[in-house]
Amino acid sequence: EPEVTQTPSHQVTQMGQEVILRCVPISNHLYFYWYRQILGQKVEFLVSFYNNEISEKSEIFDDQFSVERPDGSNFTLKIRSTKLEDSAMYFCASSALVGNGYTFGSGTRLTVV
Amino acid sequence: AQSVTQLGSHVSVSEGALVLLRCNYSSSVPPYLFWYVQYPNQGLQLLLKYTTGATLVKGINGFEAEFKKSETSFHLTKPSAHMSDAAEYFCAVSENFGNEKLTFGTGTRLTIIP
Repeated sequence: EPEVTQTPSHQVTQMGQEVILRCVPISNHLYFYWYRQILGQKVEFLVSFYNNEISEKSEIFDDQFSVERPDGSNFTLKIRSTKLEDSAMYFCASSALVGNGYTFGSGTRLTVV
Repeated sequence: AQSVTQLGSHVSVSEGALVLLRCNYSSSVPPYLFWYVQYPNQGLQLLLKYTTGATLVKGINGFEAEFKKSETSFHLTKPSAHMSDAAEYFCAVSENFGNEKLTFGTGTRLTIIP
């Protein structure tokens, strides 16, 4: 069964550093998403991406965040200057067309120290 | 704006007993509804979804859910719990098409008592 692949599975970074979280969506999917889950809290929407541009973003997704699909297969989330409160599990997801629901990756646990 | 309420952050059932996890939603348009399961240290796996049509939907691992528009509910059930069902369960809603953003509930941790 096709999978969404995320790397790394765990990343530790110092406050103020830039991080890039990487995702390889399912190859024929057209819609891409990032979500995050702070420990013990619910899963929150960050951003959706379609046709090489952001289609929607949440208020969490401020100027410190950016997304890119650099080569037609990878989908990345960049946090420019990490804060302690960015520590969370970050999930990438992709979907095909109408009504299919998402396929989520297994997540990247980001720890900011 | 859409929202999801999951009643009961923790539910414990005995092995072999009925599992009932509650989900109520709020949506300004006909919703698409989902249940996801998260096993420890893993990602989110789709259990089942409701888009249109039959209101009783069956998913993986013997789970099913019924969409009740009049009650704005989408409760998840399984007739007989198994030890392997222990996990966190999330109900989610999206407005139209299923490709819009998902709004998740706070999750219900299911514990199975041997």
